[in-house]
Amino acid sequence: DQQVKQNSPSLSVQEGRISILNCDYTNSMFDYFLWYKKYPAEGPTFLISISSIKDKNEDGRFTVFLNKSAKHLSLHIVPSQPGDSAVYFCAASARDTNAGKSTFGDGTTLTVKP
Amino acid sequence: DSGVTQTPKHLITATGQRVTLRCSPRSGDLSVYWYQQSLDQGLQFLIQYYNGEERAKGNILERFSAQQFPDLHSELNLSSLELGDSALYFCASSLRGEARDTQYFGPGTRLTVL
Repeated sequence: DQQVKQNSPSLSVQEGRISILNCDYTNSMFDYFLWYKKYPAEGPTFLISISSIKDKNEDGRFTVFLNKSAKHLSLHIVPSQPGDSAVYFCAASARDTNAGKSTFGDGTTLTVKP
Repeated sequence: DSGVTQTPKHLITATGQRVTLRCSPRSGDLSVYWYQQSLDQGLQFLIQYYNGEERAKGNILERFSAQQFPDLHSELNLSSLELGDSALYFCASSLRGEARDTQYFGPGTRLTVL
């Protein structure tokens, strides 16, 4: 039972355009969501997060939207740059535990073409 | 550079063998996490430690064990290795080990079981 799903294994966009990466979750206990970016031969790095009390969080070119009723979140990158080409992981966690473990999706490989 | 170090970077071994993966957390971080990433899949949470104590357990096989030492470094022991254990193993650390903590990932150890 995969609780966090990224249904698009890959996405290709043109430089300067918007990239939209999607993530769905099933566990209603999740109340904190994160996006990580991973380059080849490196570990994932934190990108942006959102708490369930918000529906939007913005950091520069990156914006995460949360739709709790649909159990869906998305990451928007505007404008996309070739350096954004990487694997993007969506992750979710539940505060109502004494632990910090996150449940990750399988990732979406973003390719930004010059 | 996340500040999290993992050794070795690569490990090639045979089925039935036992290996130990090592992780040093970021300076000041008290919690360590272990994840497994099999080919083209997401990060599967294995286990979390906080200040030497086990805090959360994921889908960790009984053949696998881990510990966090007083100096806060951690080791993941994999025994009776099978071909299916071939994967990238990531260690991450965070300050308090709580759900809203940002996790900082090491570069990973690539394990190949022949």
